[in-house]
Amino acid sequence: EVQLVQSGAEVKKPGESLKISCEASGYTFSNYWFGWVRQMPGKGPEWMAIINPRDSDTRYNPSFQGQVTISADKSINTAYLQWSSLKPSDTAMYYCARQGVTVQPFDFWGQGTLVTVSS
Amino acid sequence: DVQMTQSPSSLSASVGDRVTITCRASQSVSNYLNWYQQKPGKAPKLLIYAASSLQNEVPSRFSGSGSGTEFTLTISSLQPEDFATYYCQQSYYLPRTFGQGTKVEIK
Repeated sequence: EVQLVQSGAEVKKPGESLKISCEASGYTFSNYWFGWVRQMPGKGPEWMAIINPRDSDTRYNPSFQGQVTISADKSINTAYLQWSSLKPSDTAMYYCARQGVTVQPFDFWGQGTLVTVSS
Repeated sequence: DVQMTQSPSSLSASVGDRVTITCRASQSVSNYLNWYQQKPGKAPKLLIYAASSLQNEVPSRFSGSGSGTEFTLTISSLQPEDFATYYCQQSYYLPRTFGQGTKVEIK
């Protein structure tokens, strides 16, 4: 059974750094691209970026390029999303998701990590 | 970016009703169109991929159609567990983009 388990909720201050994680199980991690999606309160999902765990090749949404960094450690089947300097506007739910093969939908999702940035 | 526009933004329907949601892309995305269901406090769930292919374990009352720029999601007989928000997403171009959502509420 495919499972994606994300790290817990975070409360941070503006300017702080953060790295959240998503551990995959139930399939061969390196065989599928992996992505991150932001959902701000009351809004629709926004595609942020994807990574190929096999070689760490990445594709970013220009709206998020330079604002976040995605990475993956295939030795422990885990993907990461990190910020170097958080802003209050980063407050949102963040989901990880596996990208399927046929037309590349997100076919399995993590449970979400709520990030709150407030002074 | 490719703009995805859903209509309606919300609808009220009764159990047993047939419901249709439309998604339009600002340029052709071939059949690279996916539909997701999201319930409050939960992650989105893939229902339909490649415009008309049903994801595993999704009830057959859900169906999708279309290609190019116009797509529809149909629920043939609305069930209580179907009250949720539905999103379309194109996966043809980078960045992938989602529609703004259609909230299906109980009449």
